[in-house]
Amino acid sequence: GAVVSQHPSWVICKSGTSVKIECRSLDFQATTMFWYRQFPKQSLMLMATSNEGSKATYEQGVEKDKFLINHASLTLSTLTVTSAHPEDSSFYICSARVTGGGPQHFGDGTRLSIL
Amino acid sequence: AQRVTQPEKLLSVFKGAPVELKCNYSYSGSPELFWYVQYSRQRLQLLLRHISRESIKGFTADLNKGETSFHLKKPFAQEEDSAMYYCALAGGTSYGKLTFGQGTILTVHP
Repeated sequence: GAVVSQHPSWVICKSGTSVKIECRSLDFQATTMFWYRQFPKQSLMLMATSNEGSKATYEQGVEKDKFLINHASLTLSTLTVTSAHPEDSSFYICSARVTGGGPQHFGDGTRLSIL
Repeated sequence: AQRVTQPEKLLSVFKGAPVELKCNYSYSGSPELFWYVQYSRQRLQLLLRHISRESIKGFTADLNKGETSFHLKKPFAQEEDSAMYYCALAGGTSYGKLTFGQGTILTVHP
């Protein structure tokens, strides 16, 4: 149980393109989902907290207009990297927390490469 | 502010030896502590949470509020324990937002 699916797992695109990453909780409802970024050989850095039906809460230093988050249902949150540039290349990971509390469950991550 | 420190980036032991992965935290309230593990080419998985006080795959971790530590221990390491281990802290509010340590790569040699 508590499976989180993240799609796509890998995307390569040209500079200036916008890229959407989906995070789905498959067998549970998640009022809250989280988006992380991980640089090579480094830890996970929280980017934002996504709350169903309301605006996301961004961490300090994360551009909300650059990283658009939508959490339209209890099982789906999306992260859109707008006008992506090479410096946005990274590994993006989402997690979801069962409504009512409990630990976070993680997706497989999305490797984004901007050429 | 909350902070998690894992002082060892790399840890190597031989099979059958005891292993301890260190984790120290800084948080003014009552924290919720976790250990997550990431095996090669797999997603991050929850290993332990301090409130459960359970042993998973032979690993245990005790929250020591006096020393602000949550070290992960296993008396006899196995080769399949080789992985990246992250200690994480969730503060009292903020919907369970996690702060991760830098991670420790554990290698268990045959």
